[in-house]
This record gives sequence, structure tokens and C-alpha cells, in this order.
Amino acid sequence: EAGVAQSPRYKIIEKRQSVAFWCNPISGHATLYWYQQILGQGPKLLIQFQNNGVVDDSQLPKDRFSAERLKGVDSTLKIQPAKLEDSAVYLCASRRTPPFHTIYFGEGSWLTVV
Amino acid sequence: ILNVEQSPQSLHVQEGDSTNFTCSFPSSNFYALHWYRWETAKSPEALFVMTLNGDEKKKGRISATLNTKEGYSYLYIKGSQPEDSATYLCAPDRESGNTPLVFGKGTRLSVIA
Repeated sequence: EAGVAQSPRYKIIEKRQSVAFWCNPISGHATLYWYQQILGQGPKLLIQFQNNGVVDDSQLPKDRFSAERLKGVDSTLKIQPAKLEDSAVYLCASRRTPPFHTIYFGEGSWLTVV
Repeated sequence: ILNVEQSPQSLHVQEGDSTNFTCSFPSSNFYALHWYRWETAKSPEALFVMTLNGDEKKKGRISATLNTKEGYSYLYIKGSQPEDSATYLCAPDRESGNTPLVFGKGTRLSVIA
């Protein structure tokens, strides 16, 4: 089966600009995750969707980050305006209805804010 | 948000050494534990999903054990090779499927040839 697709792979923007990341999960996977991984740290869960509903977004900085999952399939994560500390890898992952099932990750979108 | 701890944070070993690291998690409402291996610039790769107390899983030179009563899991690598260099991540699943999936900060392993 096709894997989790993410784009863009790499993005460099100036602070205060905006950026959007796109994720296409594996077909049939109801649960979708966005993680932020800053260099040297573990992945931090930003938001978890079950179909197109939000399960958890407690760690999403809502003043600048937003995410949506239209029709329970693709998802976009937006940052506006970006700050220097947003430089990170943004990982999208998906799986069939949890628990137990394996989580599949995309290759990540690498963001550098200068 | 769940507290998942992994130790050590980083580890440097010589090629051929065996090594192990720990994942600690709350034991209440436990359902499953996931171990992942993440090489830079690649997608995290699933190693094991473990559910039963006392469970032991093996994949080549890598194995893992699980203690659900006390809330910990060990990952062992026998005869480390440079290609084992990666970050090893764990995440527990709770009984309810609709809970956040939280990863530990990972253990960064460097194997020196």
C-alpha cells in the first residue's frame, strides 16, 4: 500500500511569514497525527484527528498554528506567523482506528525559519 | 498528556557492544506499547507492538521486553552495528482508542565503528 505522503519536504521562510504543510494518509486510516520534532527532542504531538474530528490539540499553539482534516482524509497544518522556534520537522502519521494498530509515518516536512 | 520517559537520552557504544535502554510509562489503562526506530531524514520505522505483560519480541539483533504492571519496557541491541545508529522511540497506547498518542523523547544511539 502507498505510504503517508507529505509535502513540501523542505521549506525555508522568514520569521513572521506563513507556511502550510500537507499530509495524505494511508487510505482507510481513520486516525491522523501531526507531530513537531525539534532537533534533539522527541516528537511532540500537536494534534490528533479521528476521521475529521479532533481528539486532542492541547499542545497546539493555537495563536499561530491551525490544522484541519477535511472529509476525514487529507490534512493541512498551517503556521502564521512563523517564529524562529518553529524550526523543526513536522511529521504526519496515520493508522487504522486505535489502539494497537501500527502507526505509519510520512518522511516529514523540514521547516527552517530565519 | 501522558508522561513517557526514556533513558538514557543518548548513548555512544563501540561496534560489537550490546546495549539496552528503557521506556517508562503509566501502567493504568495500558493497552499496548509501540517501539520505533528513527534515522535522520527518514520516516520512523515500527519495530514492535507489545501488549502482554512479560511479552518478549525479537527482530534480528533487537529484542524488547514488557512489564505492564510496573510500566516499563526494555529494548536490547545485541552486537551493535553502525547501521543501528538512530533514535529509538516508544509510545504507549491506552485502553480507549481516543486518547493522545504520546512519544517519549527517545534514546539517541550512536555506534562507533
